[in-house]
Amino acid sequence: NIVLTQSPATLSVTPGESVSLSCRASQSISTSIHWYQQKSNESPRLLIKYASQSISGIPSRFSGSGSGTDFTLSINRVESEDFSIYYCQQSYSSLLTFGSGTKLEIK
Amino acid sequence: EVQLVESGGGLVQPGRSLKLSCAASGFTFSNYYMAWVRQAPKKGLEWVATISTSGSRTYYPDSVKGRFTISRDNAKSSLYLQMNSLKSEDTATYYCASQPGPRAFFDYWGQGVMVTVSS
Repeated sequence: NIVLTQSPATLSVTPGESVSLSCRASQSISTSIHWYQQKSNESPRLLIKYASQSISGIPSRFSGSGSGTDFTLSINRVESEDFSIYYCQQSYSSLLTFGSGTKLEIK
Repeated sequence: EVQLVESGGGLVQPGRSLKLSCAASGFTFSNYYMAWVRQAPKKGLEWVATISTSGSRTYYPDSVKGRFTISRDNAKSSLYLQMNSLKSEDTATYYCASQPGPRAFFDYWGQGVMVTVSS
């Protein structure tokens, strides 16, 4: 199975700061990585597909980059509604896997 | 508006069976692969199963292969998950989700249904 390692586990930031969340794959997966946001007691929501492709309805402050094994989700000027958990997921293998998540919390 | 509504969860004893359902609306159900993803309490997300548009192909991780069966009824726009030989580690919220293909992302999610496996 392809293992996805997300770092850091928790990120404490002040609203208005810009942040980068990391997702590293155990083998090269091209750009087959997708990002989700999960707010407390809610279902996950797709933010970015195929590493950098935007999703309709998602604010433009969310962007993704990377290829191969290293991927980044960037949030430009974090807003209060962004404090939640973020997961990456790979679809390079038919055995789909998720990272363990990064919790974005208010400093 | 896309809607995915799960049902059928509850408390079940270890070794017993349970069947989850997901009612879909707001999109052409028969054109989409569909999947189940679960989340144990306070834990991360785990993919559980995927089914092709026609239902002829199914995919599972080793953790549930041989115990869980995903199926669909395109005429009823419904997805199912038959769970047999349940274990305590199957305790989780189960989400129904749509996929554009077998090796892809999950674009729409249901609200989830809780399954608790305990004696």
